[in-house]
Amino acid sequence: GENVEQHPSTLSVQEGDSAVIKCTYSDSASNYFPWYKQELGKGPQLIIDIRSNVGEKKDQRIAVTLNKTAKHFSLHITETQPEDSAVYFCAASINSNSGYALNFGKGTSLLVTP
Amino acid sequence: NAGVTQTPKFRVLKTGQSMTLLCAQDMNHEYMYWYRQDPGMGLRLIHYSVGEGTTAKGEVPDGYNVSRLKKQNFLLGLESAAPSQTSVYFCASKKQWTSYNEQFFGPGTRLTVL
Repeated sequence: GENVEQHPSTLSVQEGDSAVIKCTYSDSASNYFPWYKQELGKGPQLIIDIRSNVGEKKDQRIAVTLNKTAKHFSLHITETQPEDSAVYFCAASINSNSGYALNFGKGTSLLVTP
Repeated sequence: NAGVTQTPKFRVLKTGQSMTLLCAQDMNHEYMYWYRQDPGMGLRLIHYSVGEGTTAKGEVPDGYNVSRLKKQNFLLGLESAAPSQTSVYFCASKKQWTSYNEQFFGPGTRLTVL
């Protein structure tokens, strides 16, 4: 099955700096790559996603890039703020008979210090 | 709309006891999922359903059963709880039959098995 690797597992940045989280996937059939943010005690919430036919997508301070050839995708957060502190998960999904379930990375704990 | 709700929020069981976790969604979504989240492991798929009356196994189904008698509800059962099932359980739902749709997550159920 699909295997999603995520790095780093923890990341600490100063407020205003950029943060980058990287993920790789194993199944070339994966075609949808969402990123979820999970705050303490809450469920994951989608922050941005990208389809396999797109190389980059941006939403205000958040951007995602996808390299299909290398099978990796990255989350970029610019001008970080303390409220960006959370656990971030990347995921990949395949058009298969697994009900389009998501295969998640193990998460990155981001800490933004004032 | 309440989105995805989960009942209960917390539960402590003794080894061998049984319980049912309830997930409800009011978005008329076809697809529903149960994931478990363990420290450092990301989210792993337990079971999923692609519609009322249908269920299927995910990555880690052993020790769990599910039912989808009504479109809006997805139940996760533990017949004989084991300490290895101590985890945070998340339910999610998705609208359509492609991978390009957001999965909406509930707030989670924290289960401890003693």
